[in-house]
Amino acid sequence: QVQLVQSGAEVKKPGASVKISCKTSGYSFTTSYIHWVRQAPGQGLEWMGVINPGGGGTNYAQKSQGRVTVTRDTSTGTVYMEVSSLRPEDTAVYYCARVGGYSGYDYYFDYWGQGTLVTVSS
Amino acid sequence: EIVMTQSPATLSVSPGERVTLSCRASQSVNSNLAWYQQKPGQAPRLLIYGASTRATGIPARFSGRGSGTEFTLTISSLQSEDFAIYYCQQYNNWPPKYIFGQGTKLEIK
Repeated sequence: QVQLVQSGAEVKKPGASVKISCKTSGYSFTTSYIHWVRQAPGQGLEWMGVINPGGGGTNYAQKSQGRVTVTRDTSTGTVYMEVSSLRPEDTAVYYCARVGGYSGYDYYFDYWGQGTLVTVSS
Repeated sequence: EIVMTQSPATLSVSPGERVTLSCRASQSVNSNLAWYQQKPGQAPRLLIYGASTRATGIPARFSGRGSGTEFTLTISSLQSEDFAIYYCQQYNNWPPKYIFGQGTKLEIK
């Protein structure tokens, strides 16, 4: 069965970086785009970025540009998201999510990781 | 950019009632609209995609309608497990930007 398993919770100081992993299994890794979505405490869902695991191409939210980098390791079926220059307002649960459509452009999300809480505090 | 607006923000309903949630897009997203359910401490769960197609394993009491800019999610008879937050999401434009609505919270009356 399809699974997306994320790395554990992180506590970081402002200005630091964090790298979250999303290990996939149960399907062909290169055939489905993976997106990252975050949710601040008590808030809604915010799209952050996407990677095409096949070719490695990425796209980022304007707000994320320059601070967020999404990469993948095709040998392990794992996607990574690194957020640099962390600020307290980056405190959120970060989710990876798999595109459910046949095309990478049909980006509704049929499988989600369990979420990774990143806390940014001095 | 497309802005997704959900209404109402909170809906108080009783188990067994029929409820309809609304989602409006600031410009047409055709039928490229999905609905998710999120319970506390859990990841969102896909309910509907293509505006009206139920995802695998989703009960028939959930139905979606609409196209263009106006969409609804109807739950025909609310069960206790349906009290949650519901988000709509458009996937009409590439690259994605602000794709989610702000959510509607269904609470027990």
